[in-house]
Amino acid sequence: GGIITQTPKFLIGQEGQKLTLKCQQNFNHDTMYWYRQDSGKGLRLIYYSITENDLQKGDLSEGYDASREKKSSFSLTVTSAQKNEMAVFLCASSRLGGVEQYFGPGTRLTVL
Amino acid sequence: GQQVQQSPASLVLQEGENAELQCNFSSTATQLQWFYQRPGGSLVSLLYNPSGTKHTGRLTSTTVTKERRSSLHISSSQITDSGTYFCAMERRGNEKITFGAGTKLTIKP
Repeated sequence: GGIITQTPKFLIGQEGQKLTLKCQQNFNHDTMYWYRQDSGKGLRLIYYSITENDLQKGDLSEGYDASREKKSSFSLTVTSAQKNEMAVFLCASSRLGGVEQYFGPGTRLTVL
Repeated sequence: GQQVQQSPASLVLQEGENAELQCNFSSTATQLQWFYQRPGGSLVSLLYNPSGTKHTGRLTSTTVTKERRSSLHISSSQITDSGTYFCAMERRGNEKITFGAGTKLTIKP
């Protein structure tokens, strides 16, 4: 078994601020994902990475940067926080070629 | 791009009734997974079913790849089954997962 951890659990920032969310997995999975989930809505893919130092844009990448520093970690940066992007950010991982994804507990972002 | 449509958007049942959730996708899926999310919670994988029929407990998923559809059947529903159910698919070699908008299931006593 394995686990995905996301830090912080709650993130509060000011409008215009640069904020970073972190994700770690110990499944030894190749692929990692960042999703955004607005209240009561489905998931939208922001970025994904199929290996260390790889980065692929999802459907919602504008306003975000990501970094896959090593196989086990994937960071997401909100470049300039806006009030309309208050949401839960979910990190996931999977083996290469497999959609069997495992999710972290999420980071809830609030922008003041 | 690839699209995933889930129906119904919401479903209200009495405890003990069976639930049938549908997922249709716009391109051939090589991978298909069903997830459950409790309000305020993260996603929990229920079944990974790219084709055929799979069972776990009271859950049965049937995926017909050629017809680009998958279903999730929940038998003898319980109040604790309430929440949102998502299906997600991937096309071969894409690595990009697309989620449906979810079916919100409410089980009443």
